[in-house]
Amino acid sequence: GAVVSQHPSRVICKSGTSVKIECRSLDFQATTMFWYRQFPKQSLMLMATSNEGSKATYEQGVEKDKFLINHASLTLSTLTVTSAHPEDSSFYICSARDRLPDGYTFGSGTRLTVV
Amino acid sequence: AQKITQTQPGMFVQEKEAVTLDCTYDTSDQNYGLFWYKQPSSGEMIFLIYQGSYDEQNATEGRYSLNFQKARKSANLVISASQLGDSAMYFCAMRVANSGNTPLVFGKGTRLSVIA
Repeated sequence: GAVVSQHPSRVICKSGTSVKIECRSLDFQATTMFWYRQFPKQSLMLMATSNEGSKATYEQGVEKDKFLINHASLTLSTLTVTSAHPEDSSFYICSARDRLPDGYTFGSGTRLTVV
Repeated sequence: AQKITQTQPGMFVQEKEAVTLDCTYDTSDQNYGLFWYKQPSSGEMIFLIYQGSYDEQNATEGRYSLNFQKARKSANLVISASQLGDSAMYFCAMRVANSGNTPLVFGKGTRLSVIA
C-alpha cells in the first residue's frame, strides 16, 4: 500500500530555533499534501494544504511566516517551524491523497517539544 | 461548511463485547466520504473503514462495520468482539467533493478503553 515517511518522529529544540519536518511519499506521487497539528487530547486540525510547485494554502489563524511549507517535488513536502516557541510544541502529522479513489495516507507524525 | 460531531469523549467496553462509537456529520454536499481512524498512543493514524455517500450497503472490514444512516447523517462505527489492543482514540472524518485538494475534516474523537 501507499506509504508516507515522516521524519523526524520526535524532536526537541530550543526556543528561537527552526525545525524542519519532512514528509516523503515512497511509492506514489503526492500532488497534494495536508499538514495537521494535534494538541494533547485534541483532534487533528488542518494547518495547510500544499500542492507541488505552488504556494501552500493556509487555514485561517495559521501564521504563514511561522509555518513554512515547501512542496518542491511530487514526493517531498516539508514543514518548517521558524523561531519556535514553547507554545508550538505539538504533534504534527502530514497526509497525502494516494492512488485509491478515496485514499488518504498519513505519515507517522512528529512530536515537537520546544524548550 | 462541513462538520463532524463525536459526542462521546470516552467509552468503556468489556473485552469480547461489541461497542458502538457515534458520529454525526453535517454537509450540504451530495458527494462525500466518511472515514474512521484509530490513533494509538504512538500517534499514528490507522485507517479502519470508509463509506461513500453513494454506497448503498454499509461498509465492513473484519471486526469493524459502519452503520451508515444517510437520512440521519450518522456514520457510527461498530467494533465487534473487542480486544485489549482496541484501546485507543477513534476519529471520525469526512471529505466533501472529491478533488485532490480536499482534506479530511475530523471530529473530536472518542477514547475507547477495553477492560479485561
